Amino acid sequence: GENVEQHPSTLSVQEGDSAVIKCTYSDSASNYFPWYKQELGKRPQLIIDIRSNVGEKKDQRIAVTLNKTAKHFSLHITETQPEDSAVYFCAAKGAGSYQLTFGKGTKLSVIP
Amino acid sequence: EAGVAQSPRYKIIEKRQSVAFWCNPISGHATLYWYQQILGQGPKLLIQFQNNGVVDDSQLPKDRFSAERLKGVDSTLKIQPAKLEDSAVYLCASSLDSFGGGVSTDTQYFGPGTRLTVL
Repeated sequence: GENVEQHPSTLSVQEGDSAVIKCTYSDSASNYFPWYKQELGKRPQLIIDIRSNVGEKKDQRIAVTLNKTAKHFSLHITETQPEDSAVYFCAAKGAGSYQLTFGKGTKLSVIP
Repeated sequence: EAGVAQSPRYKIIEKRQSVAFWCNPISGHATLYWYQQILGQGPKLLIQFQNNGVVDDSQLPKDRFSAERLKGVDSTLKIQPAKLEDSAVYLCASSLDSFGGGVSTDTQYFGPGTRLTVL
């Protein structure tokens, strides 16, 4: 089955700096890669996703890049703000499957 | 639109007791998922329904966990008997999953979860 590795497990940045979280996946047939943000005690919320026919997607301060050859994808947050502090999860979905496999999460702390 | 609803939000039980969780997906969503999220980890899929049929239950500990989705809408997840290692947040999610028109409909929306503590 699919295996998703996520790094780093914790990340601290100064407010205004950029943050990058990286994930690798094992199934070359995976075709959908969402990113979820989970604040303490709350539900995971989808913040951005990308499909295998696209190399990059951007939404305001958030961007995701996908390298299918290397089987990795990354989340980029620019101009970080304290409210960006949360745990971020990447996930991958195989072709022909609805199942998402999640990474273990990255705890992002934005220091004011 | 209303989100995924779950109840209860918190549950504390002793080991060997039984417990049940309820989920109401977003209206019209064909696919429903139950995940287990242990502290410090990502959600792990337990079972996936499409309408009222099971699509994948390969990671469900069937000796103690059971789930049903009667009439293809609400779902319940039961644990009987509970073990200490079942302490976790149980998340329900749903997705529309109808294909057509070039619109991607497989985005999963999560409920608030039920935090289970087994003593």
